[in-house]
Formats: sequence, structure tokens, C-alpha cells
Amino acid sequence: QKEVEQNSGPLSVPEGAIASLNCTYSDRGSQSFFWYRQYSGKSPELIMSIYSNGDKEDGRFTAQLNKASQYVSLLIRDSQPSDSATYLCAVDTGRRALTFGSGTRLQVQP
Amino acid sequence: DGGITQSPKYLFRKEGQNVTLSCEQNLNHDAMYWYRQDPGQGLRLIYYSQIVNDFQKGDIAEGYSVSREKKESFPLTVTSAQKNPTAFYLCASRLDRGTDTQYFGPGTRLTVL
Repeated sequence: QKEVEQNSGPLSVPEGAIASLNCTYSDRGSQSFFWYRQYSGKSPELIMSIYSNGDKEDGRFTAQLNKASQYVSLLIRDSQPSDSATYLCAVDTGRRALTFGSGTRLQVQP
Repeated sequence: DGGITQSPKYLFRKEGQNVTLSCEQNLNHDAMYWYRQDPGQGLRLIYYSQIVNDFQKGDIAEGYSVSREKKESFPLTVTSAQKNPTAFYLCASRLDRGTDTQYFGPGTRLTVL
């Protein structure tokens, strides 16, 4: 079993819709969770970090964490074509280095 | 990309040659990391360093070497022992005081001819 799992997609949503990206992780001791956005050929950029159960909102982005279910998600409201990218879920399993999922490719259709 | 620079942006190497990728940061971050990304895949950890003169192997360290002689610099050498070195190499750094957030450099794309 992979430590961090994501559906590779592509996830296709129409412009203005809500995009929902999901991630599961295997290490129950994980404490820190991150979502990065990566455009093709570019390096990842941080979108959100979340450390405690519940929701965390930042503009059009909401991260949700459920440690009991070992599940973290990212919601993007009012999706724009510029949101089209690969979204990487990353988890700090305690070794002070991140473990990444393989990413979900999001396509926002104009 | 913040204050993390990687050079060169593109690098071509012949089989059997060692090559060194540069990573420099002026963010006064304590920890630095090297990841490798293959097409359509996530990032895999090669090496990381929490402090100067100390570093740890990541998940795919074979065929790579690093040094951390200065806080600002964490060069990665891809040796001829690395069987399939063609990939996108990403350096990251983190302020090791109360935050786990890693910030990435722009990356180096290495192609072995």
C-alpha cells in the first residue's frame, strides 16, 4: 500500500463549479498535511496546510482533514481555467520530510 | 520560488558521467531537501539535511550523493551508478522552527543522452 494515495484523474469540472480532490494516507502518526499545485513543467507551489481535524478555508480553497479516517481533501470553489494543474497531497509522517502522493490532474473546462 | 535557486535549469549528460546540481537558498532556512519527479508521478525523496554537516538518505538515495557544508547550499551529485537519472530534480527548504512548510526551487531537468 502506498503511503499517500490520490486518484490520478483527470478530474474534469466546468468553470464555476466546485472541484473536490481527495487523498488518503497510511501512517496514523502523521501530523502535518499539505496541498501543492503544480503546473506542467514547473515546481510545486503551496496552496494549503492543515494540522487539525476539520476545515480550513483560504479564499476559494478549503482543506478538510479527518485523522480518524486518514483522509484529507481540497475543495476549490468557483473553479477557473487557471486552476487547471496537478494537485499534490503531501504528508509529514514524522521524519521531518514530506511524502507525496502521485497527484491528481484537474481540468477546468471554460 | 522565493529565495531558492537551482542551476542549471536544463542539463544534458552523457552516460557514465557524474553531474552536480546546485541548490542555494537565502531564506535562512535550516532544512533542505532533494526530490526527484518522473513524468506523471509524484515527488520522491532522495536526501535531506536538517543542519549543516549532517544529512539523511531518503527513499531513493542509491546513485546520489550530497553535501551540506554551508547552511545556504545543498548540492546534489548524480553519479554514474544511478541507473535511470533522467528526471526533474527539485530542491526544497524549510524553516525548522514551528512550521513544516517546504518551499521549492524552480527545478533542474536532467536528461541523459
